[in-house]
Amino acid sequence: QSALTQPASVSGSPGQAITISCTGTSSDVGSYNLVSWYQQYPGKAPKLMIYEVNQRPSAISNRFSGSKSGNTASLTISGLQAEDEADYYCCSYAGGYIFVFGGGTKLTVL
Amino acid sequence: EVQLVESGGDLVQSGGSLRLSCAASGFTFSDYPMFWVRQAPGKGLEYVSSISSVAGTTYYAKSVMGRFTISRDDSRNTLYLQMGSLRPEDMAVYYCARLSGGGYYFDAWGRGTLVTVSS
Repeated sequence: QSALTQPASVSGSPGQAITISCTGTSSDVGSYNLVSWYQQYPGKAPKLMIYEVNQRPSAISNRFSGSKSGNTASLTISGLQAEDEADYYCCSYAGGYIFVFGGGTKLTVL
Repeated sequence: EVQLVESGGDLVQSGGSLRLSCAASGFTFSDYPMFWVRQAPGKGLEYVSSISSVAGTTYYAKSVMGRFTISRDDSRNTLYLQMGSLRPEDMAVYYCARLSGGGYYFDAWGRGTLVTVSS
C-alpha cells in the first residue's frame, strides 16, 4: 500500500495546459482502469474531478481530462484559470475495498 | 442532498482512544460502501479503512490494522471509526467518504473532523 507518486508541484500561466502524472505499480494503477482525481482547496474537502481514468462528472468542466498508460495515469487541465489553483490527488483501486492515494500535487497558476 | 457529517475529533494523549462518527443523510446509507480517509497537517490524503454494504466486510490500511475498527449502523445511518493505541502520527483530519454506487471512486465527502494526538 505505498502511495502513488505525483510531482509535488506544477505551475502554468492562464490559458496554458498542464499535466500532472501519477505513477503506481502493476498492483494498482496498472491493473485497473479505476483511477480517480480529486481537487482540494485549503481547508476544504476533496472534490471528484475525474473517475475511471477519463470519465468526467457532469458538473466538471471539459477542460479537465484524464488518461493512463501502463502504471502511470495523468490529469490534464487545459485553458488554465486562476480558480484551478489547488491541490490535486490521484487515487487508484487496489483490490477489495482498498484504495491508494497519491501524495498530492500543488498547482500554481502564475 | 447527500450529506456526510463527521464528529468526535478531539485532543487525546498518545496511547489513548477515540471514536469518530459520520452521520449520513440524503441517500440510502445501507446501499453504499463507506470509507475513512485522513490527512495529516500539510500532508496528502491517506486511505484508512473501509466497510462494505450488506455484509459489512472491513478493510484497513497497514498503518492502522489492529488498532482501529470500522463499523456501521445502518439503522442510524452512521459510520464509526474506533481508534485505539493512538500515536502522534495518527494526528490528522479524518474524512468520511462514500464510494459511488457501482463505481470505484468517492463521490461524496464530509468536511472532516480533527484528531490531535499529544505525546
